[in-house]
Amino acid sequence: DAGVIQSPRHEVTEMGQEVTLRCKPISGHNSLFWYRQTMMRGLELLIYFNNNVPIDDSGMPEDRFSAKMPNASFSTLKIQPSEPRDSAVYFCASSKQGLNNSPLHFGNGTRLTVT
Amino acid sequence: DQQVKQNSPSLSVQEGRISILNCDYTNSMFDYFLWYKKYPAEGPTFLISISSIKDKNEDGRFTVFLNKSAKHLSLHIVPSQPGDSAVYFCAASDSGGGADGLTFGKGTHLIIQP
Repeated sequence: DAGVIQSPRHEVTEMGQEVTLRCKPISGHNSLFWYRQTMMRGLELLIYFNNNVPIDDSGMPEDRFSAKMPNASFSTLKIQPSEPRDSAVYFCASSKQGLNNSPLHFGNGTRLTVT
Repeated sequence: DQQVKQNSPSLSVQEGRISILNCDYTNSMFDYFLWYKKYPAEGPTFLISISSIKDKNEDGRFTVFLNKSAKHLSLHIVPSQPGDSAVYFCAASDSGGGADGLTFGKGTHLIIQP
């Protein structure tokens, strides 16, 4: 089991640039979550997918943020244009939801710095 | 408005002693609670959980207690070991154990002193 894989591990970009974060969930997991961690707000849920369909995106801060899950093994979180206040650690997590729910399994995160 | 609160940003405990991490919640619809542990530069990992129909769940050195009337839960680690030094997140769900409704606290940084 390779776990949830996120790339890149670190991203430094200038304000106004587009940023794309990538996630490969654990094989067999049917739910995928994007979280953001900051000192001020802790871990916040941005969006989650169930069977590749976005279920709740109420946590997405603005229209600058978008997420896709084109298939069961890949998801992206895009910020366009990026701003300094978007600097945070972004985590992807997956789980198997159904009769026997599994807890969230997190990737190691992408540390985003927007200058 | 924070629905899950961990009021101690950090806690220092001597090796071998008991560590008690606390968590309070405000949403009475929460019915499942979890603790996650996070090391630097890694993602949080699941530690232990408890359903609202129970008041205690034990797994080795880790025990979680739930007091529904006080809307309070705690994680006990005994005996504490150096490898327990990490940030601990309390999380709560209102979807019967499903991960879609997880709300996290801000975390408590536990430091185990040798």
